Amino acid sequence: GQQVMQIPQYQHVQEGEDFTTYCNSSTTLSNIQWYKQRPGGHPVFLIQLVKSGEVKKQKRLTFQFGEAKKNSSLHITATQTTDVGTYFCAAMIYNQGGKLIFGQGTELSVKP
Amino acid sequence: KAGVTQTPRYLIKTRGQQVTLSCSPISGHRSVSWYQQTPGQGLQFLFEYFSETQRNKGNFPGRFSGRQFSNSRSEMNVSTLELGDSALYLCASSLGLSGRLGDTQYFGPGTRLTVL
Repeated sequence: GQQVMQIPQYQHVQEGEDFTTYCNSSTTLSNIQWYKQRPGGHPVFLIQLVKSGEVKKQKRLTFQFGEAKKNSSLHITATQTTDVGTYFCAAMIYNQGGKLIFGQGTELSVKP
Repeated sequence: KAGVTQTPRYLIKTRGQQVTLSCSPISGHRSVSWYQQTPGQGLQFLFEYFSETQRNKGNFPGRFSGRQFSNSRSEMNVSTLELGDSALYLCASSLGLSGRLGDTQYFGPGTRLTVL
């Protein structure tokens, strides 16, 4: 079954509103990566989180790794139309042979 | 530095045929991973090759196979194509094994396979 759950599947926001996508696992994650895929494009690496409770920022994007290393979130402040796309988390799970497992993705649309 | 390249970009096949897709990683990268992307299933991991050896495998039938050459280029083969194999096939390269601390994957543009 799906080991990395990502919610919501879709999010429609008005430009200027905030957006958050969540990634959850029932097992401990070794590390987690986030990717963005623009419509018609391919996934592009955004960031990797490794430490428990880690928080990283990239301009309007804030990434968090949970204290128990079982969940992560990506928050975008004041969305812009350029933020449109699908955001994926990808996690490496302890004792799973090093496979990178992707969440289902959250598709973000931004209305100007 | 050139990015990850995949050929062909588009392919149309009929059921029962076989297909071979190619991926050239970023120069110096030794790992190539393959993914199948469909609207309903998202990104599904197929397999990963590192130094010509398959290191990880996803839950796909034996019709899906791959290999990696000494120059790190990789090919993926799908035999006896089914309608459900229609998808975007993405490869990604990284210096070391995907998911390894400090390593990131760089995706290619993908090959859009349509099975009729």
